[in-house]
Amino acid sequence: DVKVTQSSRYLVKRTGEKVFLECVQDMDHENMFWYRQDPGLGLRLIYFSYDVKMKEKGDIPEGYSVSREKKERFSLILESASTNQTSMYLCATCEQGLTEAFFGQGTRLTVV
Amino acid sequence: KNEVEQSPQNLTAQEGEFITINCSYSVGISALHWLQQHPGGGIVSLFMLSSGKKKHGRLIATINIQEKHSSLHITASHPRDSAVYICAAPHYGGSQGNLIFGKGTKLSVKP
Repeated sequence: DVKVTQSSRYLVKRTGEKVFLECVQDMDHENMFWYRQDPGLGLRLIYFSYDVKMKEKGDIPEGYSVSREKKERFSLILESASTNQTSMYLCATCEQGLTEAFFGQGTRLTVV
Repeated sequence: KNEVEQSPQNLTAQEGEFITINCSYSVGISALHWLQQHPGGGIVSLFMLSSGKKKHGRLIATINIQEKHSSLHITASHPRDSAVYICAAPHYGGSQGNLIFGKGTKLSVKP
């Protein structure tokens, strides 16, 4: 069974904290993506990666960075969390090209 | 850059009704995704289709590549179909895995 696992379902952090969101997949997929989902705005792409150590900015990368040291793990980093980063964060993976996408269960992050 | 529009944003139906959700996009693509998100957040892929029609149980997805339009139909709707349905297309057209999403259609099916 396909698995995309995000490290936390719910997370509460303080303004200014450094926050790590982890995503691990067991499908050997090349492509991994981080999205955030907000009411009325839908899913928006933060960063993606086509291979180990490769990263590309998505539509809303400001305030975020990513790390992909191993193929199966893609980390999203909030360098200094702010209240406007309170959101649902979703990780997704797929093979090269246009193939079925698989999503993690989401992390609901609240920054207070 | 592709733009994806979904309609309606919200839909309330009585159990048993036939439901249609529409999706249009602006840049030519080779395939489009339909996704389902239940309360709690998890997203599952329903269909990825590049032409014609696909059917899975009571769900049917159609796509017209020339018209840049896709529809998701639910026959004999049931309260357990209540969810947000999202269409997604390659961000820059073609066949890239990088997707751009519609804002979703929130479906509520009443018993």
